[in-house]
Amino acid sequence: AQRVTQPEKLLSVFKGAPVELKCNYSYSGSPELFWYVQYSRQRLQLLLRHISRESIKGFTADLNKGETSFHLKKPFAQEEDSAMYYCALLPMNYGGSQGNLIFGKGTKLSVKP
Amino acid sequence: GAGVSQSPSNKVTEKGKDVELRCDPISGHTALYWYRQSLGQGLEFLIYFQGNSAPDKSGLPSDRFSAERTGGSVSTLTIQRTQQEDSAVYLCASSPRRAGTTGELFFGEGSRLTVL
Repeated sequence: AQRVTQPEKLLSVFKGAPVELKCNYSYSGSPELFWYVQYSRQRLQLLLRHISRESIKGFTADLNKGETSFHLKKPFAQEEDSAMYYCALLPMNYGGSQGNLIFGKGTKLSVKP
Repeated sequence: GAGVSQSPSNKVTEKGKDVELRCDPISGHTALYWYRQSLGQGLEFLIYFQGNSAPDKSGLPSDRFSAERTGGSVSTLTIQRTQQEDSAVYLCASSPRRAGTTGELFFGEGSRLTVL
């Protein structure tokens, strides 16, 4: 079964500290993986996708197929990073995508001053 | 419009009543998704439309839930005989094409449903 697991419901760090939000997935094929973020009173929005290999707002995420993980990292957390973060998996097959993003349950990141 | 629009933003209803939630996607977006966001449950997929057809309805939790999309645009999610466990935020998202090519869904602000 396709599944995304975010083991931490809440992660609390101090400003300037490194942060890592964990994400593990279960999928037999080759997925595409994403991180979405929801800031307070804002819409859910895409943060980054693994195929782009980009850094957004200082965040990076590396796909580790051996460990089936896609952890989100930032070396120095800022207070404005406080938000709800969702890891998402898009199943892919040889014919193209299956069209439906599967989300984890989310991790609430709180960055304290 | 500038983004995905959902109405009503808040709905309080009594158990057993029917409710309709509306989603107006970004113009030109062919794919439309409904998700349910509950405390502690994350984002639960409900149904996906490509154009007016729904190739994946696997997430609808019971036959009390139904959705339709007309004209390849506006979608309505209907919940019949609401139950307290239906209380949640219902999120709609649209995408310019099947999500596989970009994975980017554009979300609305959601409709918060409270069933008393």
